[in-house]
Amino acid sequence: QKEVEQNSGPLSVPEGAIASLNCTYSDRGSQSFFWYRQYSGKSPELIMFIYSNGDKEDGRFTAQLNKASQYVSLLIRDSQPSDSATYLCAGGGGYQKVTFGTGTKLQVIP
Amino acid sequence: GAGVSQSPSNKVTEKGKDVELRCDPISGHTALYWYRQSLGQGLEFLIYFQGNSAPDKSGLPSDRFSAERTGGSVSTLTIQRTQQEDSAVYLCASSQGLMREQYFGPGTRLTVT
Repeated sequence: QKEVEQNSGPLSVPEGAIASLNCTYSDRGSQSFFWYRQYSGKSPELIMFIYSNGDKEDGRFTAQLNKASQYVSLLIRDSQPSDSATYLCAGGGGYQKVTFGTGTKLQVIP
Repeated sequence: GAGVSQSPSNKVTEKGKDVELRCDPISGHTALYWYRQSLGQGLEFLIYFQGNSAPDKSGLPSDRFSAERTGGSVSTLTIQRTQQEDSAVYLCASSQGLMREQYFGPGTRLTVT
């Protein structure tokens, strides 16, 4: 059973719109959550991490964590074609290693 | 500061040969991870090292795969008797602790012919 699940997409949004990427996790003990961006042919790059319930904003990115519902989301405001990539969600906690989802492919249409 | 480095960046080997892939983590990072990523697929966890604890080898796909971490720093992933299905990008990551954010190296692209 996968511990972190994501819709593989592709998720297509027009340029300038808000892209919403979602992730659910099965381990209620998970405490740390991360979003990575991976361009084709490149390695994953950390975008944001979130440890507490609620929202965390960084520029055009907002991470949201809801531990009661066991989901994490990433909002990208004013989406740009350069945001087109695969977004990986990851989570872990306690003595369990961080587990990665399989990623959601985002396409921003000019 | 310097990020995670991996070498070689590309490796082409013949089926049946052994290969060694190297990872230099960020200085001071106690945790080091190896992943494998086949074309168009997600990250496949292989092994991680955390400080002086015994490594978690639960992701190694067969006994042809092994890894070591010397002096709590540099790590080497060894694949013996390579098979064509071993062809993939091998990624190394390091973090300040098990629950902290991971930083990835550029990867080694392994091609087994």
